[in-house]
Amino acid sequence: EPEVTQTPSHQVTQMGQEVILRCVPISNHLYFYWYRQILGQKVEFLVSFYNNEISEKSEIFDDQFSVERPDGSNFTLKIRSTKLEDSAMYFCASTAGVSGYEQYFGPGTRLTVT
Amino acid sequence: AQSVSQHNHHVILSEAASLELGCNYSYGGTVNLFWYVQYPGQHLQLLLKYFSGDPLVKGIKGFEAEFIKSKFSFNLRKPSVQWSDTAEYFCAVKTNSGYSTLTFGKGTMLLVSP
Repeated sequence: EPEVTQTPSHQVTQMGQEVILRCVPISNHLYFYWYRQILGQKVEFLVSFYNNEISEKSEIFDDQFSVERPDGSNFTLKIRSTKLEDSAMYFCASTAGVSGYEQYFGPGTRLTVT
Repeated sequence: AQSVSQHNHHVILSEAASLELGCNYSYGGTVNLFWYVQYPGQHLQLLLKYFSGDPLVKGIKGFEAEFIKSKFSFNLRKPSVQWSDTAEYFCAVKTNSGYSTLTFGKGTMLLVSP
């Protein structure tokens, strides 16, 4: 069964550093998402991406965040200058459509900002 | 904006006990409803989903859920839990507007003792 993959599984970085989290969505999917889960809290939506542009974003997704689909397979989340409060599990998801389709989640990247 | 409430944050059961996890959402329009499970150290996996039709949906591993529109509820049930059901369970809602991001509840941690 096809699956969403994410790398790295764990990233440790110092405050103020830039990080790039990578995702490879399922190959025939068209809509891509990033969510995050701070330890002990619920999964929160960050951003959705379709047709090479952001389609929706939450208030969490401020100017420090950006997303990109640099080639036909990767989907990246960049945090320009990490803060302690960015420490969380970041999940990538993809889906084939918006109505009547489920989102498939990757295994997540645990980001630890020190 | 829609929201999802899961009333039980922690549930402890013995094997063979019956399970019901509550989920209520707030949104006046058409919704798609999901239950995801996160086993320890693993990523989110879809247990079951409701898009339309029969409000009683059956998922994997013997789980089922019933959509009661008048109560804005989508409770998860299993008649007899196993130790391997120990996990965190998330209810999620997707509306049919916009690009249909998922809104998650805070999750319910289920611990099944052998």
